[in-house]
Amino acid sequence: DSGVTQTPKHLITATGQRVTLRCSPRSGDLSVYWYQQSLDQGLQFLIQYYNGEERAKGNILERFSAQQFPDLHSELNLSSLELGDSALYFCASSFSRVTGELFFGEGSRLTVL
Amino acid sequence: GQQLNQSPQSMFIQEGEDVSMNCTSSSIFNTWLWYKQEPGEGPVLLIALYKAGELTSNGRLTAQFGITRKDSFLNISASIPSDVGIYFCAGHAINTGTASKLTFGTGTRLQVTL
Repeated sequence: DSGVTQTPKHLITATGQRVTLRCSPRSGDLSVYWYQQSLDQGLQFLIQYYNGEERAKGNILERFSAQQFPDLHSELNLSSLELGDSALYFCASSFSRVTGELFFGEGSRLTVL
Repeated sequence: GQQLNQSPQSMFIQEGEDVSMNCTSSSIFNTWLWYKQEPGEGPVLLIALYKAGELTSNGRLTAQFGITRKDSFLNISASIPSDVGIYFCAGHAINTGTASKLTFGTGTRLQVTL
């Protein structure tokens, strides 16, 4: 158990819909990262937050947005969903910004039909 | 997005064999890390390397941070069935302020047969 909690674990929805994925980082970790992993693909970095502020953006679509709340949990909002958005979405947290050591949650599997 | 070149893409080996995989980049990194992902789970950190030339072991795993800071390798000795999974390298570069960039490799899928 990494200490990072993601909900929901599985989500099935239709094209055009909007979903919210939630992440609670490890206790004490200030950074939260979101990654997307499509079938048999690597990990694509979406966005990073540090102590409530956006710090880095990767290949995140304009239809996607995220935020980190004062209690440090984070939400990833995916809207106007398309079939190609079907993927595993991972949240990771870290305390140190110096070493890149991330602790990943178990992921939220999104299926868009 | 940017990804590291990781090879091989997949390996099918017999239990007891040694495994070697590597990762190369056109960019210099401050830290190299190796993660393992098992089916249905998130990646788990195996080894972190902080200095060029550093050689670090974790049980049957040994990893090295290349002298040029642009590559790293991971060796697994005497493989066992529970070594099955996808192994990802990752390079970490420190940007300004509190931003940092972690780039993942394309992964090496390891299958171990009895």
